[in-house]
Parts: sequence; structure tokens; C-alpha cells
Amino acid sequence: DGGITQSPKYLFRKEGQNVTLSCEQNLNHDAMYWYRQDPGQGLRLIYYSQIVNDFQKGDIAEGYSVSREKKESFPLTVTSAQKNPTAFYLCASSLTNRGLYEQYFGPGTRLTVT
Amino acid sequence: AQTVTQSQPEMSVQEAETVTLSCTYDTSESDYYLFWYKQPPSRQMILVIRQEAYKQQNATENRFSVNFQKAAKSFSLKISDSQLGDAAMYFCAYRSHTTGNQFYFGTGTSLTVIP
Repeated sequence: DGGITQSPKYLFRKEGQNVTLSCEQNLNHDAMYWYRQDPGQGLRLIYYSQIVNDFQKGDIAEGYSVSREKKESFPLTVTSAQKNPTAFYLCASSLTNRGLYEQYFGPGTRLTVT
Repeated sequence: AQTVTQSQPEMSVQEAETVTLSCTYDTSESDYYLFWYKQPPSRQMILVIRQEAYKQQNATENRFSVNFQKAAKSFSLKISDSQLGDAAMYFCAYRSHTTGNQFYFGTGTSLTVIP
């Protein structure tokens, strides 16, 4: 079955530690995205990538980093510079062709930093 | 950047009744794509319905339909015969036809279905 996997579902870290969230897709999509979701704020774009070895900052990139070494994978690192990292993180992918193509989402990772 | 506004943070509907969720957006483009996503308590985002801006006909998917008013930049979602399983957060999203790959989301509407 094609889809997007995110692991783990729940992640706990101590303040000051970097943590990497995994996102893998087997949909053969060129574009991948990371969103942060907080109550009452909808989905906010952190980073997105349209092609391997290239990515762009979204609206709230500070304190986060990404890599795109393979088409299937787009890991997100939450660094210690991120002031308020506790949130729900969603990974998504889509085709880059013009057309009525939606984003597909993974199940999300809930990160708690204490 | 395009903005998407959902002015109803919370809505409720009686089971079997009809409810309409509103969405407006701001754009200078003439061609674009619009989507409604559902996020149930599991938090998995699920596509509900989609619409191309150049198509006049409103999209319909079973009990879900949209009222797309291009001039008013409005894209409301109507849920007919509401079921308990419809209870979720609903997000409206915009995708540009020209820049293509960035999606813009509203802040969501939390729908409660009352038995």
C-alpha cells in the first residue's frame, strides 16, 4: 500500500536536546512538507522540498532543519534553538504537476519536550 | 502569500441534519485549487473534497458538497445527513495553479455532532 509513514507516534525529549522526526513516502511524490500544528492555529508550514537536495523555508523555519537526500525521505530535526518545540508535527507529500492534486499526510508525531 | 480564513472555530449539528462550514480566501490568481480536509480525533488528515477554480460546477462527494463562489472567494462545505463519524476538525486549503506546490490552510472548524 502506498502512503506516508512517520515515526515514532509519540516522542519525548529533554530540553536542550536535538531530536529528528522521520518521514518516509512510497507514493513517488516529488514534493514533501513539514507542518506544525498547535491548538487554534491550524497547520503552519516549517519546510518544504520540491526535489531531492533542495528545500525551502516555510513560515516558521527558525529552530528547525531538514534534509532531502532521497526522494522518499524528508527528516525534520528540531534543534535546541526552537523555543517552544512541544507540538504535533505532520509530514505531507504531493505531486508537483499542475492539476487537482492534493497533499497526502502521514499520521503525525506528537513531540513533548520537558 | 494567499490567506485562507475559516471564521467559525466551532460548529455543532444534530445527527441527520445539515451543516455548512465557511471558508474564504484571498488571492489575485484566476486559476487555483481548493480542498477540504477532515481531521478526526486520530489526527489523520483525510481529503474530503476538492474543486478546481475554473470549473463552475460545484463538487460533490456523497453527503459532502461545496458551494464555490469564485467572485466572492468563498468555498463553503455542506455536510448533509450528518453522522457521528463526521465529528472532526475541518480544514480548508488553497493550492496555487501557478506556483503549484505550496498549500495554504485555514485555522480549522471543530465540528460536533449531537446524537
